[in-house]
Amino acid sequence: DAGVIQSPRHEVTEMGQEVTLRCKPISGHDYLFWYRQTMMRGLELLIYFNNNVPIDDSGMPEDRFSAKMPNASFSTLKIQPSEPRDSAVYFCASSSGQGEDQETQYFGPGTRLLVL
Amino acid sequence: AQSVTQLGSHVSVSEGALVLLRCNYSSSVPPYLFWYVQYPNQGLQLLLKYTSAATLVKGINGFEAEFKKSETSFHLTKPSAHMSDAAEYFCAVSPNDYKLSFGAGTTVTVRA
Repeated sequence: DAGVIQSPRHEVTEMGQEVTLRCKPISGHDYLFWYRQTMMRGLELLIYFNNNVPIDDSGMPEDRFSAKMPNASFSTLKIQPSEPRDSAVYFCASSSGQGEDQETQYFGPGTRLLVL
Repeated sequence: AQSVTQLGSHVSVSEGALVLLRCNYSSSVPPYLFWYVQYPNQGLQLLLKYTSAATLVKGINGFEAEFKKSETSFHLTKPSAHMSDAAEYFCAVSPNDYKLSFGAGTTVTVRA
């Protein structure tokens, strides 16, 4: 398997613009997670899905952030409008939730976002 | 609520020396515990995990970790450091609800 795929790898945008980050989980994995990594706050869980349904979005910072999972192989994290403080590395991870791999999350390479 | 404390944000070791990274956790229920490694500009890679099957867990690249319930610790060790071990290491805990809580990370540098 190719692992978790994220696109774009790098994004530079101006304040106020809409940003869409994309993720393809590992095939067969039922859980998908979005994380944000910053120097100040470390790694934070934003939201996670089980079988395409959002289970916990308590980590989403504010209404400017939204996430969707229209099918088992695709998810988006959207920021509208973007602000400089949203600059961070955003990671997607997936988990099978089964057997010995239960709770184990596999991470994508991340999207490095810079909002000017 | 669960939390993770990693003692020491930076660790410097000589090549061939012991690597010891400390992690203490708090959890209201028996947890899953993990160590991940992050190389520059890359995602997190699983090193090893504890799932109650054995207290000494062996992972990839020669790393291992020991779960000590009495000390609520899950320290990571490698007997002999290699230059390729230079990276950032994260300890994480999950109380069986898929919500991983990460420590602040420990950056390892290896001196030749």
